[in-house]
Amino acid sequence: KAGVTQTPRYLIKTRGQQVTLSCSPISGHRSVSWYQQTPGQGLQFLFEYFSETQRNKGNFPGRFSGRQFSNSRSEMNVSTLELGDSALYLCASSFGSTAYGYTFGSGTRLTVV
Amino acid sequence: GNSVTQMEGPVTLSEEAFLTINCTYTATGYPSLFWYVQYPGEGLQLLLKATKADDKGSNKGFEATYRKETTSFHLEKGSVQVSDSAVYFCALLAPNAGGTSYGKLTFGQGTILTVHP
Repeated sequence: KAGVTQTPRYLIKTRGQQVTLSCSPISGHRSVSWYQQTPGQGLQFLFEYFSETQRNKGNFPGRFSGRQFSNSRSEMNVSTLELGDSALYLCASSFGSTAYGYTFGSGTRLTVV
Repeated sequence: GNSVTQMEGPVTLSEEAFLTINCTYTATGYPSLFWYVQYPGEGLQLLLKATKADDKGSNKGFEATYRKETTSFHLEKGSVQVSDSAVYFCALLAPNAGGTSYGKLTFGQGTILTVHP
């Protein structure tokens, strides 16, 4: 059974550019969440999508956005990149019930220079 | 708001030693509790979970019991191996005011575990 797949694994971008990250959830999972992991702030929740609808959002500026497609695949976009956006971005998928927990992908390592 | 506090690390042990990583939480409502593990260069792997008071989650020799009276979910293992070296995260999923949690795990700061042969 395939796990959560995130692409690309590594990205280097320049300040001011924008970036799109992709996440393919486990087959049958309809909930996709995104997290930012940094040494200073730890793991912080970005947003969650279920059936193409954003149901929950963390405390990030509007430069961070996401969407989910009808096949449950999700993308997140960061516009006008800042140096502080350098982080590991993790995607997690679930059936949508807490009883199952969340399965994480290996992440996308974004470096902004 | 919701929060998770883990014991300060890093933790360094010899192989076959006993492991305890403390985790306490503050949450609205009745949270579900999780332990995740992260190996170098990888994402998070669910280690174990508990969804109600007195539940004991267990996996690969690791155990944690949901203690509502002390708001704790301490991770234990009787005999650690070198392969257990990783970062361990305690996390909770708590309902919001509407009674749902919608994917928002709240994590502790992580505890680095190093096990020497």
